Amino acid sequence: AQKITQTQPGMFVQEKEAVTLDCTYDTSDPSYGLFWYKQPSSGEMIFLIYQGSYDQQNATEGRYSLNFQKARKSANLVISASQLGDSAMYFCAMRGPTDSWGKLQFGAGTQVVVTP
Amino acid sequence: DAMVIQNPRYQVTQFGKPVTLSCSQTLNHNVMYWYQQKSSQAPKLLFHYYDKDFNNEADTPDNFQSRRPNTSFCFLDIRSPGLGDAAMYLCATSRERGPEKLFFGSGTQLSVL
Repeated sequence: AQKITQTQPGMFVQEKEAVTLDCTYDTSDPSYGLFWYKQPSSGEMIFLIYQGSYDQQNATEGRYSLNFQKARKSANLVISASQLGDSAMYFCAMRGPTDSWGKLQFGAGTQVVVTP
Repeated sequence: DAMVIQNPRYQVTQFGKPVTLSCSQTLNHNVMYWYQQKSSQAPKLLFHYYDKDFNNEADTPDNFQSRRPNTSFCFLDIRSPGLGDAAMYLCATSRERGPEKLFFGSGTQLSVL
């Protein structure tokens, strides 16, 4: 069975600093996709970044980068130069062929609060 | 422009009174999903449609049903809502079931009185 673990329930970070959100996963499938979503208090899930299991390079999207360590089964999100608008819940998620790619399974989430 | 639209944003229903939540998409995606998210928890998949093929999660209560009359629309029916069904309901789409991102709507916050 696939499993996603986010061990940090909440974090405070100062504006303009970088923050790393931890995510580890467990799967026996060689082919899978890893995602990070942001959910502000308004409720909408906003896609941030994607990493495929066969991708050779770490994914980057603007201020977001994914530190993918396949052997350790970790996919940490790094947010550089934090902004007040980054305050939100952040979810790590995974899709894999075990479920015929149908299911996007989420971790428990990390609540990030950016302070001035 | 919104691509996955959920209506209404807030829905209040009475205990046991059937309620329907709606979702529409302008992306022409093949797959549509319904997730339930309770307060301070991760979203939990209820079911998904791959085109017209309905896929129910094993632990989704029978109280929850879904309809997809065409590519653009998908409905979540809760036949007899209980207090435990109060949650945010998120609709999402993806082009295929492969390693692709899901596009989410803004959600419908359901309250049961």
